[in-house]
Amino acid sequence: KAGVTQTPRYLIKTRGQQVTLSCSPISGHRSVSWYQQTPGQGLQFLFEYFSETQRNKGNFPGRFSGRQFSNSRSEMNVSTLELGDSALYLCASSLTTSGGASNEQFFGPGTRLTVL
Amino acid sequence: DQQVKQNSPSLSVQEGRISILNCDYTNSMFDYFLWYKKYPAEGPTFLISISSIKDKNEDGRFTVFLNKSAKHLSLHIVPSQPGDSAVYFCAASAINTPLVFGKGTRLSVIA
Repeated sequence: KAGVTQTPRYLIKTRGQQVTLSCSPISGHRSVSWYQQTPGQGLQFLFEYFSETQRNKGNFPGRFSGRQFSNSRSEMNVSTLELGDSALYLCASSLTTSGGASNEQFFGPGTRLTVL
Repeated sequence: DQQVKQNSPSLSVQEGRISILNCDYTNSMFDYFLWYKKYPAEGPTFLISISSIKDKNEDGRFTVFLNKSAKHLSLHIVPSQPGDSAVYFCAASAINTPLVFGKGTRLSVIA
């Protein structure tokens, strides 16, 4: 079974630009979550999608948005990039969020975004 | 408000000895706990989990202990190996909510 894939793996942008990151979950997984990882901050939750609906949202500004398609693939968009948006963006998929082992998340390798 | 806390940012252990990584949580609704391991430039990988109805779960060299009254869990690695050097994240979940992660502990196993 293929794992979670994320594209692109690396991205360099300049301030003010926008960026779209893509995530393909494990086949059969319907929940996709996005995280931002910066040094010393751990994994900060951005949002979670399940069956094309945003179910949970973290404490990030509206410049960060996402969506999920009918095949469970998800995209994340960041508009008007700032230097502080430089981070590793991780996508994770799980079967559902109905509790227990179904909440186990499987992560992709991440997209390293650098904002200059 | 940090619901899952890993108070030790780093830990160094000699090869062959025991590594103990600690995690505290505040939300009594959490009923499932997980540990993830992360190498640089890779996504976290699932290591071991425990349900709140148990107090111990063992998988080879890895054992997770849960003390619900203290809202504390720990990961024991015995014996520690150089390949265990990584960042370890504790995570907790409740039904219909996303996983909540701690900030991680960087483990260095010295040969």
